Amino acid sequence: DTGVSQDPRHKITKRGQNVTFRCDPISEHNRLYWYRQTLGQGPEFLTYFQNEAQLEKSRLLSDRFSAERPKGSFSTLEIQRTEQGDSAMYLCASSGGPSSYNEQFFGPGTRLTVL
Amino acid sequence: GQQLNQSPQSMFIQEGEDVSMNCTSSSIFNTWLWYKQDPGEGPVLLIALYKAGELTSNGRLTAQFGITRKDSFLNISASIPSDVGIYFCAGQLGGSQGNLIFGKGTKLSVKP
Repeated sequence: DTGVSQDPRHKITKRGQNVTFRCDPISEHNRLYWYRQTLGQGPEFLTYFQNEAQLEKSRLLSDRFSAERPKGSFSTLEIQRTEQGDSAMYLCASSGGPSSYNEQFFGPGTRLTVL
Repeated sequence: GQQLNQSPQSMFIQEGEDVSMNCTSSSIFNTWLWYKQDPGEGPVLLIALYKAGELTSNGRLTAQFGITRKDSFLNISASIPSDVGIYFCAGQLGGSQGNLIFGKGTKLSVKP
């Protein structure tokens, strides 16, 4: 399977704990995006990487959130001191292949539940 | 922030019928994308549009990039049960770094 992969698919945690999610983009894509999706809504942009550089952050990305893409390949999204309002689906997307122009391809998502 | 108005919010149609949904915005977009999402999964890209007036098909799906660059529509012809899901429009603003702005989705239910 050469699509975007995310791990874990589901995470249940207690309020106040830290969680980390991983995203592996399509191998030739140099752009990687994180989105958050709550029930009944469309995905909302969180942050964007071009190679290893984090070029844009949404105001939704509070100081408890941090994302990295250290070698320009996989990315991690960490949430510190989780709150119940962080419960959502966290989606990763990648783009930038030779024939995909601005098309963003999404992974299956990580469903986070904060108790 | 920027918003896309997607309508209808939901549709309940008979198998074999044609479906039409659309998105509008007060902002000008340079790219429109249409996605389908099944429960518990990520959105799957259906069609990408890059030029005002562009009409693109993908099987039974047809989408158009509005002339004003502020709207787009998606048509599904001869719907089948596997068309069930939530359809999202997404736009990319000119000058943006590539982040997409999504509508709230159109939930499609099909009677067999």
